[in-house]
Amino acid sequence: DTGVSQNPRHKITKRGQNVTFRCDPISEHNRLYWYRQTLGQGPEFLTYFQNEAQLEKSRLLSDRFSAERPKGSFSTLEIQRTEQGDSAMYLCASSLQGIGTDTQYFGPGTRLTVL
Amino acid sequence: AQSVTQLGSHVSVSEGALVLLRCNYSSSVPPYLFWYVQYPNQGLQLLLKYTTGATLVKGINGFEAEFKKSETSFHLTKPSAHMSDAAEYFCAVSDRNTGNQFYFGTGTSLTVIP
Repeated sequence: DTGVSQNPRHKITKRGQNVTFRCDPISEHNRLYWYRQTLGQGPEFLTYFQNEAQLEKSRLLSDRFSAERPKGSFSTLEIQRTEQGDSAMYLCASSLQGIGTDTQYFGPGTRLTVL
Repeated sequence: AQSVTQLGSHVSVSEGALVLLRCNYSSSVPPYLFWYVQYPNQGLQLLLKYTTGATLVKGINGFEAEFKKSETSFHLTKPSAHMSDAAEYFCAVSDRNTGNQFYFGTGTSLTVIP
């Protein structure tokens, strides 16, 4: 068990460019979550997958944000036409579906800077 | 939706002193409750969680938290602070109906003074 990994760790882009982040969950975990964390704030839930199904996406910040998990393993988060307000840490977490609530295990995050 | 309030965005304690970080939630139905710690440039690490049963929960690194339904609180404590405890601490809740969406507080930055 190597934990949740995220790539890249840092991304600097120019306004208007598209960016894509990758998350590899803990191997046996069937649930995967994306969060955004801005400076001085706690993580903000964006979306989550159970296996390959995206079960909640209403809290994605705008239609410029999209996420996929095509084979139920790794996931990607894409931001199109980036804006300076998108600068933040993007966190991925995974969990194993259980009774009640799952414990979510977080990756180190991808820090996005939009110039 | 759930909401979480962490009183005190910055807390400073002397090494060896009691650590008390406060967390209150808004739901009338007690949610699942969590404390996470975040070190600089790292992801969040679970300290402890409350789901059911005993209201005093023990976690890693000597931390514990007590669920108090009457006060809608889940404060985090540690009897004796260590320099390595300096970090950002987040309280989180998830709804008992869905259990999946976590709602985080704004965090408390803990400074330990030697």
